[in-house]
Amino acid sequence: KAGVTQTPRYLIKTRGQQVTLSCSPISGHRSVSWYQQTPGQGLQFLFEYFSETQRNKGNFPGRFSGRQFSNSRSEMNVSTLELGDSALYLCASSLGVAKNIQYFGAGTRLSVL
Amino acid sequence: AQTVTQSQPEMSVQEAETVTLSCTYDTSESDYYLFWYKQPPSRQMILVIRQEAYKQQNATENRFSVNFQKAAKSFSLKISDSQLGDAAMYFCAYRRETSGSRLTFGEGTQLTVNP
Repeated sequence: KAGVTQTPRYLIKTRGQQVTLSCSPISGHRSVSWYQQTPGQGLQFLFEYFSETQRNKGNFPGRFSGRQFSNSRSEMNVSTLELGDSALYLCASSLGVAKNIQYFGAGTRLSVL
Repeated sequence: AQTVTQSQPEMSVQEAETVTLSCTYDTSESDYYLFWYKQPPSRQMILVIRQEAYKQQNATENRFSVNFQKAAKSFSLKISDSQLGDAAMYFCAYRRETSGSRLTFGEGTQLTVNP
């Protein structure tokens, strides 16, 4: 069974640009969560999508948005990039029930110059 | 809000020895889940072990075991017979029973295994 796939693995953007990151969950998983990992703030929850609906949202500005498609694939978008958005963005998928284990992808490393 | 604290930024252990990583958390919930995740240099977050708060028995997975003290809100990870491949950043994480899949992570403990 294929794991969680995140694309691209690396991305370099400049301030003011926008970026879209993609996450393909494990087959059959309906929940996709996104996390931002930085040396200063650690791992922070961005949002969770379940069956195409945002179920949870972290404390991030409106520049961070996401969506989920009918095949459970999810995209995360960051508009008007700032230097502080440089981070590792991790995606995790699960069946969506509270008991279920979340499986993480390898992440997308975003560098904003 | 729930918080998770890992007070040991770095730990080291000799190969084949035992090491314990500490984690404390703060919550007013009675039903929740606790996890230890491992993040090697490849950055892939890997689940090491999971504990359900309603279970009194401590979880074990091969060389990995936890000491779950619900009243003290403590959740430590013991790694026995440490191997070089255990070297990684270890994160303690909390999830409410009713919060979907949202995880709250601690700051992490960098574990070094010396040959």
